[in-house]
Order: sequence, then structure tokens, then C-alpha cells
Amino acid sequence: EAQVTQNPRYLITVTGKKLTVTCSQNMNHEYMSWYRQDPGLGLRQIYYSMNVEVTDKGDVPEGYKVSRKEKRNFPLILESPSPNQTSLYFCASSYYGTGPYEQYFGPGTRLTVT
Amino acid sequence: SQKIEQNSEALNIQEGKTATLTCNYTNYSPAYLQWYRQDPGRGPVFLLLIRENEKEKRKERLKVTFDTTLKQSLFHITASQPADSATYLCAQDFGNEKLTFGTGTRLTIIP
Repeated sequence: EAQVTQNPRYLITVTGKKLTVTCSQNMNHEYMSWYRQDPGLGLRQIYYSMNVEVTDKGDVPEGYKVSRKEKRNFPLILESPSPNQTSLYFCASSYYGTGPYEQYFGPGTRLTVT
Repeated sequence: SQKIEQNSEALNIQEGKTATLTCNYTNYSPAYLQWYRQDPGRGPVFLLLIRENEKEKRKERLKVTFDTTLKQSLFHITASQPADSATYLCAQDFGNEKLTFGTGTRLTIIP
């Protein structure tokens, strides 16, 4: 089954404790992206990647890091989480090139930083 | 930065009627708009994509129209059902698969 998986689905952590949210897709997609979703603000892009070792900032990259060492994986790293990073996070993937292409979203990770 | 506006935060429609949602997009060409459905606590699911040279796109009870003069897309659900209740997101593709999303319209179909 074609899918995007994220782990963990729920996470409660404390300010400053480094964490990683994993994202994996099994569709051989070149493009992967991270979004955060907050009430009233909608989905906002954090980082995206057009292929292995190619990443770029989205609209709200501050406080986040990413890496793309393998085509299927695109982890999101919060080096020193703060309460304003409490949010619902989604990973997405799609083909890349002479698009546009639909994006496939993961089930989401609800993060709470206290 | 680019902004996509979905005028209605919430919309209540009687079952069986047509629900119409509005999305106003920015002046970027070529313009591609995508529509997604999102259920509470779940990831968005792709519904339809329309290009600026297409006036209309259909999929079962769904129809999307594109008005390049008004910079507006309308999303219609005909013969609406309670199962259509969800949040619907409009997104503009600014090239290289970079999507900017609107804040969504929460649609409730009343039996």
C-alpha cells in the first residue's frame, strides 16, 4: 500500500530536549516536505527536499533542521524545542519534475512542548 | 509572501444541496490549484487539480472551476451527504511542487 508514515504520532516533551520526528514514504517520490498546522494559520511549510541531499527552507524554518540522506526518509529535527513549536506536524511526498503533482500526506504528529 | 484566501471559515449546508466553496489565489502564472479534504486529526487527502487553461474539472460529485479574471476557484459538491462533512483546503502550486495552502473551509452537511 502506497503511504507516508510518521513516528511518533503523539509526543509530549520539555523545552530544550532534542527530538526527531521520522517520515518515510514507499512511493519512490523525489519530493518530500514538512508542514505544521496551527488553528487559524492553516498549513505552513517548514522545509522541503527535491531529492537526496537537496533541501530548502519553506515559510517557517526557524528552530527546525532536516536531512535527506535516503530517498525514502526525511526526518524533522528540533534541536532545542520551545513551547511555540507545539503544533500538528505533517510530512508529505510527491513526484518532482514537470508537474504539478498531488501530494500524499502522512497521518500527522501531534507535538506538545511544555 | 504568497497568500491563498478561502473566504469562509465554516459553511453549513442542508443534505442534498450543492455546497460551494471559494478560493482566491495570487497572480502567479502558470496557476495550478489543488483541492484537498482533511478530516479531524488526519492528514489532507488530494481531491482535484486544475490548471489555469482549464475552465472546469470534475470527479464524481465534485466540480472545480477556475476564473482567471477574478483569480478565483470555486469547489462544488453536488447532492451533498453528511459524509462530505470535513475541512476543505485550497492550495496554489508555485512551481517545483511548492504548495501554499489556504486556511480551509470547515463544511458541515446537516441531515
